[in-house]
Amino acid sequence: AQKITQTQPGMFVQEKEAVTLDCTYDTSDPSYGLFWYKQPSSGEMIFLIYQGSYDQQNATEGRYSLNFQKARKSANLVISASQLGDSALYVCAMREANRDDKIIFGKGTRLHILP
Amino acid sequence: AAGVIQSPRHLIKEKRETATLKCYPIPRHDTVYWYQQGPGQDPQFLISFYEKMQSDKGSIPDRFSAQQFSDYHSELNMSSLELGDSALYFCASSPRQGEVNTEAFFGQGTRLTVV
Repeated sequence: AQKITQTQPGMFVQEKEAVTLDCTYDTSDPSYGLFWYKQPSSGEMIFLIYQGSYDQQNATEGRYSLNFQKARKSANLVISASQLGDSALYVCAMREANRDDKIIFGKGTRLHILP
Repeated sequence: AAGVIQSPRHLIKEKRETATLKCYPIPRHDTVYWYQQGPGQDPQFLISFYEKMQSDKGSIPDRFSAQQFSDYHSELNMSSLELGDSALYFCASSPRQGEVNTEAFFGQGTRLTVV
């Protein structure tokens, strides 16, 4: 079974609009961390935001926020006021405390921001 | 701030040749991960090191080997290269292995092309 599921292979959004990228995960470990990375066409993997399983509040980093719904096992990324430079592949990832610490990635959502 | 440094950025090799990829983690990060990302694929975990010892192993072919040195830099050695080894190879580093609530930072990747 997929550990990380991103159901939107691609999205087109108008500049300045907000966008939500979906991510659901599967784990039986009570302690885990969820990450979002941005991968532009240059290929580098840029860390955006992190949410811990025990965090009481949703994580926020500038224009990025994470809508963490633990009971539903979802960790959607919200980008407010999208910009042309936000066009990239967005990858959701998870690290489980009892799985030797490696990070497992989803397949990503390719976001296209339209002028 | 210092980031994860990978070298070379691009590498072209012929089939059956060998390649060595290098990774220099962020200072004071003691955990290093290697990932392989094929075209249009999500990153696949290869191997990780903590305090110079292998901590976890993923889908790494027997033709590949890796190690972490006393200065915490890591090298991924790839022998008998095949066309299917063409991919983007990422290195990531993280402080405090075993603590799930710490982000991992990725290098810019090495794009290996086998011809």
